Order: sequence, then C-alpha cells, then structure tokens
Amino acid sequence: EDQVTQSPEALRLQEGESSSLNCSYTVSGLRGLFWYRQDPGKGPEFLFTLYSAGEEKEKERLKATLTKKESFLHITAPKPEDSATYLCAVRDNFNKFYFGSGTKLNVKP
Amino acid sequence: GAGVSQSPRYKVAKRGQDVALRCDPISGHVSLFWYQQALGQGPEFLTYFQNEAQLDKSGLPSDRFFAERPEGSVSTLKIQRTQQEDSAVYLCASSEYEMNTEAFFGQGTRLTVV
Repeated sequence: EDQVTQSPEALRLQEGESSSLNCSYTVSGLRGLFWYRQDPGKGPEFLFTLYSAGEEKEKERLKATLTKKESFLHITAPKPEDSATYLCAVRDNFNKFYFGSGTKLNVKP
Repeated sequence: GAGVSQSPRYKVAKRGQDVALRCDPISGHVSLFWYQQALGQGPEFLTYFQNEAQLDKSGLPSDRFFAERPEGSVSTLKIQRTQQEDSAVYLCASSEYEMNTEAFFGQGTRLTVV
C-alpha cells in the first residue's frame, strides 16, 4: 500500500538555525512528489514538485531534494514567517495523492 | 477567480442533517479531488474526478457520502445524515491535467456536527 511518513512531527528552531525535514515514501509508480505549506485555518499552499531521483528545487530559503525512497526539505536560515506545517504528498500511477501527517515547524525570533 | 474556491467556509450541522459542500476549481482544470483533514493530520483522499467522470471514490468513508461534478467544473460533496465523526475540514483541489502536475487547494470547509 502506498505510504508517506514525515519526520519529525514537530520542530522548533531559532531564527537562523538551519535544518531539514524528512519525507519517506513507498508508492506504486511515482508520478511526482509534492511539498506543501499549510498555515492554520488555510488550505495547503503548493511549494515544489519533484519527479525523479537526484532532482532538486529551490525557492528562497527552501530547497527540496529527492531520492528513490525519500525527500528532504532543507530550510536555510529560517525566519519566524517560515513557521507553518509542511506537508509532503506523492502522486501514484492511479492519480491519487497520498499525504503525510506533516511537520509542524516553529521558528522563534 | 484565480484560485480554488470553496463554500461555505464553516458549517455547523445537527446530527442527522444533510449538508452540501461546494467547490469551484481553477477554470480549465481537468482533475478535481476531495480530501478530508482531521485536526493535526494530513489530508486523506476521498474521491477524484477527471472532467465529469468520477474515476475513484475509494476514499469515501460510507454510502452517506456522495460527490458529483456534472458539467466537469463545479463539484459538490454531499453528506447525508451527518454523524459526529464527520466533523473535519473538507478540502477540494484541482490540477490542470490528469497526470504529473501539482494540485492547488482551496481554503476548505470546516464542518462541525453537533
């Protein structure tokens, strides 16, 4: 069965303290791995799509990487406004998206 | 509009009442998804449409849940005889093609069954 596991569940960082979030997955035919950011009371906001192992995408302080079994979301010198829940999802051969439970990031000034 | 729009944003229903949740996807998007999100959890798949065809409804938790997209654009998720366990945020998402593209989400409808 397709599965997505994210770790850690929660992460507290000081402003400027870089770290990484992990997303490990098993899927029947990967049709994309997606990172989303979700703020309280809002729908997930799209960040990145990765399609093949070795691929990397960057946006401001965020960088997403992909291997055959997992993806990392690296956060460099985070700011308090980066505080949110980060969700990872995979899309399989049957066009279903499977989400992890998310990592709740709290960046303190 | 530019994004996915859902209405209402909040709905309080008495147990046993029927509810209808609406989703307006991004114009021209082929794929439309419904998800259920419990507090502190990631979204759970409910059902998927490609244009007007409902290709997958394997995530619908019971036969009280019904979704339609009759003209391939607006979709409605209907829940009959609501139960307390139906309380959750219901998210709608759309994507431009049937494969290999990201999905864009609406703000969700928070359903509370009392």
